[in-house]
Amino acid sequence: KQEVTQIPAALSVPEGENLVLNCSFTDSAIYNLQWFRQDPGKGLTSLLLIQSSQREQTSGRLNASLDKSSGRSTLYIAASQPGDSATYLCAVRAGTYKYIFGTGTRLKVLA
Amino acid sequence: GAVVSQHPSWVICKSGTSVKIECRSLDFQATTMFWYRQFPKQSLMLMATSNEGSKATYEQGVEKDKFLINHASLTLSTLTVTSAHPEDSSFYICSATRTASETYGYTFGSGTRLTVV
Repeated sequence: KQEVTQIPAALSVPEGENLVLNCSFTDSAIYNLQWFRQDPGKGLTSLLLIQSSQREQTSGRLNASLDKSSGRSTLYIAASQPGDSATYLCAVRAGTYKYIFGTGTRLKVLA
Repeated sequence: GAVVSQHPSWVICKSGTSVKIECRSLDFQATTMFWYRQFPKQSLMLMATSNEGSKATYEQGVEKDKFLINHASLTLSTLTVTSAHPEDSSFYICSATRTASETYGYTFGSGTRLTVV
């Protein structure tokens, strides 16, 4: 059974700092992995999608890496801003069409 | 880009009544839609998978008679919470994918906050 874990559960950093969010999954047989952002009381916004054959994806200040063999993905946020404050979720798509979500990391960037 | 519209964004209903939530793909045909539930400070838990024109597949522990899902067209799926009770209060989110290909990501709706009083 696929399980997805995110560390840390919560993170508070000063503005401008670079930071790394971690996601680990137990079954390496995945099709892709997706990082999402969720603001309080809102739906999910897709940030980056990494296919199983890819090692990383970049979008602006965000960079996501994937190491399928070790069951890990990281989301790197450069030069963090208060507007980056949100909950970040990773999700893996495995043998069926559904996504299994991680537990999330609540990020707070202090001005 | 792919857009999924979910309506209503919030609803308050009395215990014992039924509530319908709509999920629409606005600019693409969604062969498969998913319904998730999220309790406060927890992650999303998949409730069911619906494919257009066929019965939904429910996850273990989800009551299919309580959470009725209809996916009558390629752009619309509905979730009806029947005889709602306070413990059904939660955040419900739908997602859709345009194709069965495993390389596609999913687009999520904005969610519906259900409060049963």
